[in-house]
Amino acid sequence: GAVVSQHPSRVICKSGTSVKIECRSLDFQATTMFWYRQFPKQSLMLMATSNEGSKATYEQGVEKDKFLINHASLTLSTLTVTSAHPEDSSFYICSASVGGHIQYFGAGTRLSVL
Amino acid sequence: GQQVMQIPQYQHVQEGEDFTTYCNSSTTLSNIQWYKQRPGGHPVFLIQLVKSGEVKKQKRLTFQFGEAKKNSSLHITATQTTDVGTYFCAGQNTNAGKSTFGDGTTLTVKP
Repeated sequence: GAVVSQHPSRVICKSGTSVKIECRSLDFQATTMFWYRQFPKQSLMLMATSNEGSKATYEQGVEKDKFLINHASLTLSTLTVTSAHPEDSSFYICSASVGGHIQYFGAGTRLSVL
Repeated sequence: GQQVMQIPQYQHVQEGEDFTTYCNSSTTLSNIQWYKQRPGGHPVFLIQLVKSGEVKKQKRLTFQFGEAKKNSSLHITATQTTDVGTYFCAGQNTNAGKSTFGDGTTLTVKP
């Protein structure tokens, strides 16, 4: 089956620093990648949709200057949380898709900002 | 905008009992997907339904897509402890659009 690798799985950082999260589709080329945020015992909150070679489409209320998304190739998308603060602590999950239908999820990144 | 509602939010069952989660969309869907997220894990794709009235089975799991393509259900027969987790539906209202996820139904199974 389709495999999506997400790194790092866990990161602890100081307030004010930036954190980069990578999402790779290992055995297929993803036309679309999605970035989600998930709070404990809650659903997936879509942050942005990313298509290779074009600017990401951010959901309402998501700051594009704070959550920088780069989709440089059909197998790699990155999310950079800039100037992270404790309220940014969360579980971030990426998914990759061919055509935007079925999504294959990465294992997620648990971010803790001190 | 499109809303996808899922009920119940939580379901506790005794092992061997059946379980059903329901997904309702405010708009007609072109397709719907179901995912399972184990505790501490990430969502894993289970199945996609596309046709009106479609029914698909995976062992003890039965997935249905309503005739009007606005609702769907997942039924598990004779639950096992391995079925624990949160089940999400995700619906698309256009073939090229993003999917909207329901809030999920968290299933716990008592041995």
